[in-house]
Amino acid sequence: SQTIHQWPATLVQPVGSPLSLECTVEGTSNPNLYWYRQAAGRGLQLLFYSVGIGQISSEVPQNLSASRPQDRQFILSSKKLLLSDSGFYLCAWSVGADTQYFGPGTRLTVL
Amino acid sequence: ELKVEQNPLFLSMQEGKNYTIYCNYSTTSDRLYWYRQDPGKSLESLFVLLSNGAVKQEGRLMASLDTKARLSTLHITAAVHDLSATYFCAVDAVGSSGTYKYIFGTGTRLKVLA
Repeated sequence: SQTIHQWPATLVQPVGSPLSLECTVEGTSNPNLYWYRQAAGRGLQLLFYSVGIGQISSEVPQNLSASRPQDRQFILSSKKLLLSDSGFYLCAWSVGADTQYFGPGTRLTVL
Repeated sequence: ELKVEQNPLFLSMQEGKNYTIYCNYSTTSDRLYWYRQDPGKSLESLFVLLSNGAVKQEGRLMASLDTKARLSTLHITAAVHDLSATYFCAVDAVGSSGTYKYIFGTGTRLKVLA
């Protein structure tokens, strides 16, 4: 069966510090991968999605970036965090246009 | 711009009562998804509705899709406290690179009172 992992689970970072969040999927090949952000009490905002290694599409201009160095690994990064980057970051995978399955999430607080 | 709107945004209901959450969308998508999110947790897939007239049921929840009206409903029958959560609908859209992505609704926060 397929599983999706995210780490860390919780992160507290100062403004201006770098960020690296990792997502890995097991049990499937060539998945579509997605990064979402959810601000407190709000809906989900799609940040990036990827259909293959090195292929990244950005949905919202921001100071975040994403990379997919391996088929089942998706990384979200920032060189300098802003207060507005605080939120709950969710990674998801799908096979083509089928149902997306979400990871456990990373709660990021920028102080 | 594709929009997905849910109503109500907040719903407080008594145990044992019935209620319906509505999801309206502005494109011709034929697929709609419902998810549940418990506080502080990730999203759990509930239903996938793949065609006009599709109806899916699981326990006290039943989802339906009317693609002509661009409307999906999530009906709750005889609510119990365990159903308290936030419910999201999502529709397919084609992204800038030609692949599919979801557009999520605003979410409906449901609280079932004992």
